[in-house]
Amino acid sequence: AQSVSQHNHHVILSEAASLELGCNYSYGGTVNLFWYVQYPGQHLQLLLKYFSGDPLVKGIKGFEAEFIKSKFSFNLRKPSVQWSDTAEYFCAVNQGGATNKLIFGTGTLLAVQP
Amino acid sequence: NAGVMQNPRHLVRRRGQEARLRCSPMKGHSHVYWYRQLPEEGLKFMVYLQKENIIDESGMPKERFSAEFPKEGPSILRIQQVVRGDSAAYFCASSPLVSNQPQHFGDGTRLSIL
Repeated sequence: AQSVSQHNHHVILSEAASLELGCNYSYGGTVNLFWYVQYPGQHLQLLLKYFSGDPLVKGIKGFEAEFIKSKFSFNLRKPSVQWSDTAEYFCAVNQGGATNKLIFGTGTLLAVQP
Repeated sequence: NAGVMQNPRHLVRRRGQEARLRCSPMKGHSHVYWYRQLPEEGLKFMVYLQKENIIDESGMPKERFSAEFPKEGPSILRIQQVVRGDSAAYFCASSPLVSNQPQHFGDGTRLSIL
């Protein structure tokens, strides 16, 4: 069965530190890849997505992610985090086609200390 | 605001009662998805619907849970005879008819079972 692994459950960083959150998935076919963010008390918002083309994807708020097909990975990065980046981050995968359901990782809770 | 409207935001029920959760998709979106988020876990897919059709219900529990998306009105997730284990956040997402479009999420309904 298709699955998504996020290795870091909790990450604590100081402001201006660099961020990298790992995401691996377990499906060998064509996939679409997403990172969503959930700020405290809010709904999930799309940070960025990869469907095809350039494997380095830039999203909102300075985030980017790199799709490495050989490693089944889609890690999220930001060079310099801010206190306002404190949130929970979810990696998700779908295969598109007839069923568009998303398979989510368990999430990474990021706390940025001022 | 992502535009997907869910109500109520919070719902409290006693064991054995029925819970009805509503979701109005974004304007122009004809696909609706329901996900459940248990404490300390990621979102789990439940069901995918188009108007008057259930496309994929592979994530729905076999008993007590049902979903519909009528021609007119919101999508409804219905849980009969609720139990404590049904306590969770239930998120609805919508996407347009065109494939390979990201899903937009609502604020969720937090269901608490007494």
